[in-house]
Amino acid sequence: DTGVSQDPRHKITKRGQNVTFRCDPISEHNRLYWYRQTLGQGPEFLTYFQNEAQLEKSRLLSDRFSAERPKGSFSTLEIQRTEQGDSAMYLCASSQGLAGEVEQYFGPGTRLTVT
Amino acid sequence: QKEVEQDPGPLSVPEGAIVSLNCTYSNSAFQYFMWYRQYSRKGPELLMYTYSSGNKEDGRFTAQVDKSSKYISLFIRDSQPSDSATYLCAMGRGSARQLTFGSGTQLTVLP
Repeated sequence: DTGVSQDPRHKITKRGQNVTFRCDPISEHNRLYWYRQTLGQGPEFLTYFQNEAQLEKSRLLSDRFSAERPKGSFSTLEIQRTEQGDSAMYLCASSQGLAGEVEQYFGPGTRLTVT
Repeated sequence: QKEVEQDPGPLSVPEGAIVSLNCTYSNSAFQYFMWYRQYSRKGPELLMYTYSSGNKEDGRFTAQVDKSSKYISLFIRDSQPSDSATYLCAMGRGSARQLTFGSGTQLTVLP
């Protein structure tokens, strides 16, 4: 299977703890996106990488959030000092990055619950 | 006001019905329009995308875009129980940039 994979699928943590999520994009996709989705809402953009360069960050991405994509392959999203408001589904998507290619393919998501 | 507004659900139809799902948007800079299907506790799955005004058909699905009215629709013909999911419209501008999503419409197709 060559789809986008995310790990873990579920994470329960206590308020104040740090968490890290991993995303493996579709092989040879050079663009990678992180979104956050809360119940009853559509995904909201967080950040975007082209290869290893982080090119855009949303205002939603507070200082407690950091994302990396070393070597332009997998990506990690870390949330420090988690708050209850961070509880959401964190979605990763990837796209080929060719001119005119706009399709973004999503992974299954990581569901975070902060207690 | 949100940039993308989507008809609220839930929507319940009998099997075989034609389903119409709709979104409006306010930002004329949006250049391409997508529909995703999301099953419960899963990631969104891309159904269709289009750049231009007009209709695009793929099997039982037809995507319609009216840029002058800033209105897009997804029609599902001969709906099946397996079509029961949340349908999300999404829009983008520029090359492979961030997508802006509607809040989704939950569809149930009753056997």
